[in-house]
Amino acid sequence: GNSVTQMEGPVTLSEEAFLTINCTYTATGYPSLFWYVQYPGEGLQLLLKATKADDKGSNKGFEATYRKETTSFHLEKGSVQVSDSAVYFCALAMEYGNKLVFGAGTILRVKS
Amino acid sequence: GAGVSQSPRYKVAKRGQDVALRCDPISGHVSLFWYQQALGQGPEFLTYFQNEAQLDKSGLPSDRFFAERPEGSVSTLKIQRTQQEDSAVYLCASSQLLRANYGYTFGSGTRLTVV
Repeated sequence: GNSVTQMEGPVTLSEEAFLTINCTYTATGYPSLFWYVQYPGEGLQLLLKATKADDKGSNKGFEATYRKETTSFHLEKGSVQVSDSAVYFCALAMEYGNKLVFGAGTILRVKS
Repeated sequence: GAGVSQSPRYKVAKRGQDVALRCDPISGHVSLFWYQQALGQGPEFLTYFQNEAQLDKSGLPSDRFFAERPEGSVSTLKIQRTQQEDSAVYLCASSQLLRANYGYTFGSGTRLTVV
């Protein structure tokens, strides 16, 4: 079946450090890929998405590139802030599907 | 409304009690989804509505779980005879589109604790 694997956390970084959170997927077909973020006490928010191979999604300084050859969608940010501390979820949805399949989430903690 | 609203925000239930969780989607959104998020895990799909029709309920873990959306707007997730393993955050999401691959808007969830 379709699945998403994320790097385990927590990831702890100092402010202004470079961030990478790895995400790989298994899917039959050509999924759309997403990163959602969950701040403490809040619901999931869509951070960015990519719908086909080589697409780059970007938002709020975060970016991720859909790599079909490595079945990956790694999240990156050049300089993290304390306010980026949250749980990040990678997810996929099939082209004609009606559900998102999520990874287990990665906790990010940024220290000042 | 401006976003997806869920109530109650927190619910404590005694084992064996029935509970009902409410979701108010964004006005006009056709699609509505329920997800279950266990502690430390990613959300898992429970069920999907397109207007009032429940098109997919493959993720409901047992026949104790029941969802409805009778008028194509507000939805209720009901859990009968709650068990400790039902403790989780229940997330509702809605979308104006029919396909999940466009992403959708989540509510803040209802945290259910069964004691």
